[in-house]
Amino acid sequence: SQQGEEDPQALSIQEGENATMNCSYKTSINNLQWYRQNSGRGLVHLILIRSNEREKHSGRLRVTLDTSKKSSSLLITASRAADTASYFCATVINNAGNMLTFGGGTRLMVKP
Amino acid sequence: GAGVSQSPSNKVTEKGKDVELRCDPISGHTALYWYRQSLGQGLEFLIYFQGNSAPDKSGLPSDRFSAERTGGSVSTLTIQRTQQEDSAVYLCASSPEGRTSYQETQYFGPGTRLLVL
Repeated sequence: SQQGEEDPQALSIQEGENATMNCSYKTSINNLQWYRQNSGRGLVHLILIRSNEREKHSGRLRVTLDTSKKSSSLLITASRAADTASYFCATVINNAGNMLTFGGGTRLMVKP
Repeated sequence: GAGVSQSPSNKVTEKGKDVELRCDPISGHTALYWYRQSLGQGLEFLIYFQGNSAPDKSGLPSDRFSAERTGGSVSTLTIQRTQQEDSAVYLCASSPEGRTSYQETQYFGPGTRLLVL
């Protein structure tokens, strides 16, 4: 079964608005990563946050991590039509190797 | 090359046939991963190679699936006696492996879309 659950499963917003996606997971983690996927092709790494970090920024992206609630959020500010994609959170579980365990993903559509 | 490459891009096969999928990781990356993405199961880990260590095969769904990595570089995922439920996108990723954020990031190839008729 998947480690993470993401919500919403789908999100539609207007260009310029902010998009927030949430991810929950079940077990203790080493780090949590967010990936983007366009049209069912390869995944592009966006940002990695470690279990001892609470917030990270990268350009228009902001990621938070709450290990007490086993949850993370990805915020995309000032969205653009080009941000339309599927976004996945993935965790590296403690003492379980370095493979990623993915959530179900959020399909984001940004309307111009 | 600049990134992870996979071949073929698309593969259509008949039920019961064997298929081989290839992955060329980024040069110098010691870790290589195979994942599968299907409509019903989402993104699933299959197998992981790290340097010369024995691979972690814990994600392989059945003994029809196997993978090898020759010379610590190119990897081949083989599916024997394919079934319709094997239809999916097979994604390969590599990483340098280490303790920095950069080294833990996995870099994905474009995937091979497999359709079993």
